[in-house]
Amino acid sequence: DTAVSQTPKYLVTQMGNDKSIKCEQNLGHDTMYWYKQDSKKFLKIMFSYNNKELIINETVPNRFSPKSPDKAHLNLHINSLELGDSAVYFCASSRQSGGAEAFFGQGTRLTVV
Amino acid sequence: AQSVTQLGSHVSVSEGALVLLRCNYSSSVPPYLFWYVQYPNQGLQLLLKYTSAATLVKGINGFEAEFKKSETSFHLTKPSAHMSDAAEYFCAVSEGTSGSRLTFGEGTQLTVNP
Repeated sequence: DTAVSQTPKYLVTQMGNDKSIKCEQNLGHDTMYWYKQDSKKFLKIMFSYNNKELIINETVPNRFSPKSPDKAHLNLHINSLELGDSAVYFCASSRQSGGAEAFFGQGTRLTVV
Repeated sequence: AQSVTQLGSHVSVSEGALVLLRCNYSSSVPPYLFWYVQYPNQGLQLLLKYTSAATLVKGINGFEAEFKKSETSFHLTKPSAHMSDAAEYFCAVSEGTSGSRLTFGEGTQLTVNP
């Protein structure tokens, strides 16, 4: 059983389209995250949800909208895709306690053409 | 604010040689520190973490790291490199009392030569 699973693994789309990435964790964690890894492999947090409530929203364009239907799922919807959105997006989850290990999904490689 | 600096974006060692990947952090409160490994086209896997229990932390695959507060460092070492260790390594810091909001370093690509 995959602990944190994301779909799709690869996503190629045209500029201006709207797309979603889904994430599910079966670890029973309360907290889920979205990270973005750019072409230089730099990782930066985008959002964090705790028990379906948004607790971290970094300076991300409002074209990006996370949605958490329940604490096991955190989806990422992106409107009006731009070339600069091309990256690998990682979902992760952890327990709520400070210093808890984050478990990462396999990533979704988004290419905007 | 928290930050991480990894010295050396690329490190190359021979198989069997010592691996040393450097990480320095900045944190306004006692930090939690992590090393993650990323193999090509895969997600991140935790190697080890420091959460103030012990300054020398042992992780998976023979890796260990030592927390040195005076040097604000958390360098990763392995006595003998294997070909399978070739990957991207990330040092990360978390300050939070809730969850694991990670600030990552820029990563170090480890190459192991036969």
